[in-house]
Amino acid sequence: DAGVIQSPRHEVTEMGQEVTLRCKPISGHDYLFWYRQTMMRGLELLIYFNNNVPIDDSGMPEDRFSAKMPNASFSTLKIQPSEPRDSAVYFCASSLSPSEQYFGPGTRLTVT
Amino acid sequence: GENVEQHPSTLSVQEGDSAVIKCTYSDSASNYFPWYKQELGKRPQLIIDIRSNVGEKKDQRIAVTLNKTAKHFSLHITETQPEDSAVYFCAASPTTSGTYKYIFGTGTRLKVLA
Repeated sequence: DAGVIQSPRHEVTEMGQEVTLRCKPISGHDYLFWYRQTMMRGLELLIYFNNNVPIDDSGMPEDRFSAKMPNASFSTLKIQPSEPRDSAVYFCASSLSPSEQYFGPGTRLTVT
Repeated sequence: GENVEQHPSTLSVQEGDSAVIKCTYSDSASNYFPWYKQELGKRPQLIIDIRSNVGEKKDQRIAVTLNKTAKHFSLHITETQPEDSAVYFCAASPTTSGTYKYIFGTGTRLKVLA
């Protein structure tokens, strides 16, 4: 079992650029979660999907953020345009049920 | 809104001593309480969890207790070792109300001194 896979692991971009983060959940898991982690705000849930359908996106900070899950094995989180305050570690997690979420290795995003 | 408070924010113990981290939650619909360990630069990893129909759960040197009436739950680590040094997060989540959001605590940085 490869676990949750995220890419890229590190991303450095300039303010105003579009950023796309990618996630492959554990095979068979039907819940997928996107989190953001910063020192100031801790671990925040941005959005989660069940069976590829977005269920709760109330944590998405603003319209610059969007997430999609076109199929059971792939999801993207897009930021357009990016801003320095978006700098954080973004984690994807998946689970077979609403509990027991397994986190990916994260993408460290730096926006200059 | 839902809130999970976690204390202490930092904790230093001598190797071999016990460590206790406490959390309180506000949403009475919460019925699932996981604990995650995050080492520096790594992903959060589930170490133990408890559901609201259980008061205590143990797994080797770690245990979690839940007081649903008081909305408190705690992580207990006995015989601490240097490799226990990490940030620990508690979380609370409803799993039956149709929305399955984890609300995380702010984390406890545990340092085990050799």
